[in-house]
Amino acid sequence: QVQLVESGGGVVQPGRSLRLSCAASGFTFNSHAMHWVRQAPGKGLEWVAFISYNGGTKSFADSVKGRFAISRDNSKNTLYLEMNSLRAEDTAVYHCVRDLSTKYTLDYWGQGTLVTVSP
Amino acid sequence: QSALTQPASVSGSPGQSITISCTGTSSDIGGYNYVSWSQQHPGKAPKLMIYQVSNRPSGVSNRFSGSKSGNTASLTISGLQAEDEADYYCTSYTGNSTWVFGGGTKVTVL
Repeated sequence: QVQLVESGGGVVQPGRSLRLSCAASGFTFNSHAMHWVRQAPGKGLEWVAFISYNGGTKSFADSVKGRFAISRDNSKNTLYLEMNSLRAEDTAVYHCVRDLSTKYTLDYWGQGTLVTVSP
Repeated sequence: QSALTQPASVSGSPGQSITISCTGTSSDIGGYNYVSWSQQHPGKAPKLMIYQVSNRPSGVSNRFSGSKSGNTASLTISGLQAEDEADYYCTSYTGNSTWVFGGGTKVTVL
């Protein structure tokens, strides 16, 4: 079965950096594009970033553009999110999400990892 | 990248049907047939219920159905059950490898 397990969250001061990881299993990782989606406490879902199956295409929400980077290591079945210049408004649970190939759809979700940006 | 518009809450009695709307623009919902709906129970990860406007993934009850007209997509839950009480989010592709979510709708089973 598809499993996505995020890690790397924690408490970080404003302006600092953090790297999230997502370990994928149960499917052919290098055949699927991937996303990061976040959910602030008590709020709705916000799409954050996308990376194509081979890393050749990347895209970001305007709210994180220039501060966040997405990457993947297909040899390790792992997705990453590098977050720089963190702000209080970046506080959220960050979910790793598989893309249902060629269908422009986010299908399987990980449980998420909490990032708290606080002095 | 403005969020799609959903009603904050919708309620219904067991056995009834409810419909949740999701309104966007010609740049998202109106421009692509890549609208999906996800269900999220408290403390859980979202689960895909409908994709490409009206397709159900394997294992999702046929009580869930989706449609689209112009810039508005809809999710209908028929034969409402207690287990359907959850938050529901619409998502649309917006071109150039970007996506947008709706604000979410809390469904309450009375």
